[in-house]
Amino acid sequence: DGGITQSPKYLFRKEGQNVTLSCEQNLNHDAMYWYRQDPGQGLRLIYYSQIVNDFQKGDIAEGYSVSREKKESFPLTVTSAQKNPTAFYLCASSTRQGGFNYGYTFGSGTRLTVV
Amino acid sequence: EDQVTQSPEALRLQEGESSSLNCSYTVSGLRGLFWYRQDPGKGPEFLFTLYSAGEEKEKERLKATLTKKESFLHITAPKPEDSATYLCAVQSFQAGGTSYGKLTFGQGTILTVHP
Repeated sequence: DGGITQSPKYLFRKEGQNVTLSCEQNLNHDAMYWYRQDPGQGLRLIYYSQIVNDFQKGDIAEGYSVSREKKESFPLTVTSAQKNPTAFYLCASSTRQGGFNYGYTFGSGTRLTVV
Repeated sequence: EDQVTQSPEALRLQEGESSSLNCSYTVSGLRGLFWYRQDPGKGPEFLFTLYSAGEEKEKERLKATLTKKESFLHITAPKPEDSATYLCAVQSFQAGGTSYGKLTFGQGTILTVHP
């Protein structure tokens, strides 16, 4: 079955440590996104990528980095510069045709906790 | 800048008690309005996309409607399994008539249906 796989489901980070969240999709979607979700708040966009080897900052990119070397993969690194990283992280993808995006699909999320 | 506001923040219903959730939005040009359902600890699950004022879509006990300023998600005779957080999001046009593809989300409405 086609879908988006996020791993790990739970991740614990020590102070000053960088961690990488994995996102893989087999939907042949062109665009991929990373969102952060905090309690009582909606999803906030961290980074997005419309095509391979290209990505743009979202609304809250500080302290995060991404890469898009393959169409199927869009890993997110939470760096030590992110002062409040504890949150639920969601990866999504969509196909893009005629200048518009369709078929947004989300992964099951990674819950990151600072210890 | 796109903005989405959902109300109420939380809604408690008795089984069978119909009600509506509201999503008010401000965009320079609406490409699409999306409704998602999210269960605790999971990724959002797609429900509907609405593209133009006056459009309506239905799925089981749910019906989504759209005006130029807001969208409603009507829940008819809800059951306990309808309990979830319902998220609304918008996609807007960019210069040139295409879209960036990113979605802007509201903070969600937490729906609880008691038996």
